[in-house]
Amino acid sequence: GQNIDQPTEMTATEGAIVQINCTYQTSGFNGLFWYQQHAGEAPTFLSYNVLDGLEEKGRFSSFLSRSKGYSYLLLKELQMKDSASYLCAVRDSNYQLIWGAGTKLIIKP
Amino acid sequence: DAMVIQNPRYQVTQFGKPVTLSCSQTLNHNVMYWYQQKSSQAPKLLFHYYDKDFNNEADTPDNFQSRRPNTSFCFLDIRSPGLGDAAMYLCATSEDGGASDFSGANVLTFGAGSRLTVL
Repeated sequence: GQNIDQPTEMTATEGAIVQINCTYQTSGFNGLFWYQQHAGEAPTFLSYNVLDGLEEKGRFSSFLSRSKGYSYLLLKELQMKDSASYLCAVRDSNYQLIWGAGTKLIIKP
Repeated sequence: DAMVIQNPRYQVTQFGKPVTLSCSQTLNHNVMYWYQQKSSQAPKLLFHYYDKDFNNEADTPDNFQSRRPNTSFCFLDIRSPGLGDAAMYLCATSEDGGASDFSGANVLTFGAGSRLTVL
């Protein structure tokens, strides 16, 4: 079966750095996405990785290792507004998106 | 601004009473998706349209139907809602659902969602 694993919940302090991990087992690989979802709202796109390595976008970076089936989302200089769920999704060989259940990130002052 | 709009944002219905949720997009995207998301769970794809071609997920109950009368609009019909159908329903679009490239064609743009309560 296809599977995406993420921690259920993480807590971090305002101003700090947090890394949210995602491991996947899918039928093929055609890209990995990270989305942010605030409570009661729709997911919004954060990043896309299809090649190994680090993609940086301001305070957010995403890393991919295809050989390890592993990605992480790195959030720097955390702000209270970063409190949200972070969803990892992988596009498989049939171009279907397989979603993780999301990691709820709680930011404390 | 180009966007994906869902109506209504909140829908309360009675057990067994049909419900229709709507989605419209101004992005001119080819692909439209309907997802069901329950609290703290991954979004679950119900079906999607690639242009006019309808693709139903194998485990989507017959209780759920969809229509896409034109490029801009897509509807989700729940014929006889049960208590287990209470969820957030998310509409999303993408420029191209099948391209394997490094552009943004595969990125999903979501609407704000329609939260369904079944009494």
